[in-house]
Amino acid sequence: QSVLTQPPSASGTPGQKVTISCSGGSSNVGSNTVNWYQQLPGTAPKLLVYSDYQRPSGVPGRFSGSKSGASASLAISGLQSEDEADYYCAAWDDSLNGPVFGGGTKLTVL
Amino acid sequence: QVQLVQSGAEVKKPGASVKVSCKASGYMFTSYGISWVRQAPGQGLEWMGWISGFNGNTKYAQKIQGRVTMTTDTSTSTAYMELRSLRSDDTAVYYCARDWGPVARFEPWGQGTQVTVSS
Repeated sequence: QSVLTQPPSASGTPGQKVTISCSGGSSNVGSNTVNWYQQLPGTAPKLLVYSDYQRPSGVPGRFSGSKSGASASLAISGLQSEDEADYYCAAWDDSLNGPVFGGGTKLTVL
Repeated sequence: QVQLVQSGAEVKKPGASVKVSCKASGYMFTSYGISWVRQAPGQGLEWMGWISGFNGNTKYAQKIQGRVTMTTDTSTSTAYMELRSLRSDDTAVYYCARDWGPVARFEPWGQGTQVTVSS
């Protein structure tokens, strides 16, 4: 049981926009910034979005993050086949005094 | 470029210990911490703990505290994670990642080390 809640799966067709949600509480998402990680099959996770909406250099603008209250979202527009991966949200948790992850969302490009 | 390179796969028997290394390059090792994250087969990411690259201070996840020790060697910019009293449910890919502070921001990640616990 993960501290942050994500839908286990999401899907879309090429060119569509898909949104993945991440729900937490007042001790994590509600009071700290959210980061998103992309894990392509068989590879290590990669930072996709940090500080709620910032993108590291090299990450396409098709990926965008947002947050409202204790919920965050990752939007992927112009979906491409290479976006098929697992996506994880993460945030610092003040009660646990450590980082917590969502359970991950498997994105399928139909 | 900033890079973390981990040691190779390990197969251990239940009750044994394993020590995984993570060699950093391309940045000042003492300016960042290193976190260790593991991923059991078909499962999500689980944070195991953190070590400061500056002074070796550590913080471990409650679930594995008492079985894990994280250390660093600043002379070689290498971090180590030792897990003792291995059980079958410790079978996982273990990742190290540069830790940007108490913000759950990890970047970059090592390539991962498969640890298999089997009798």
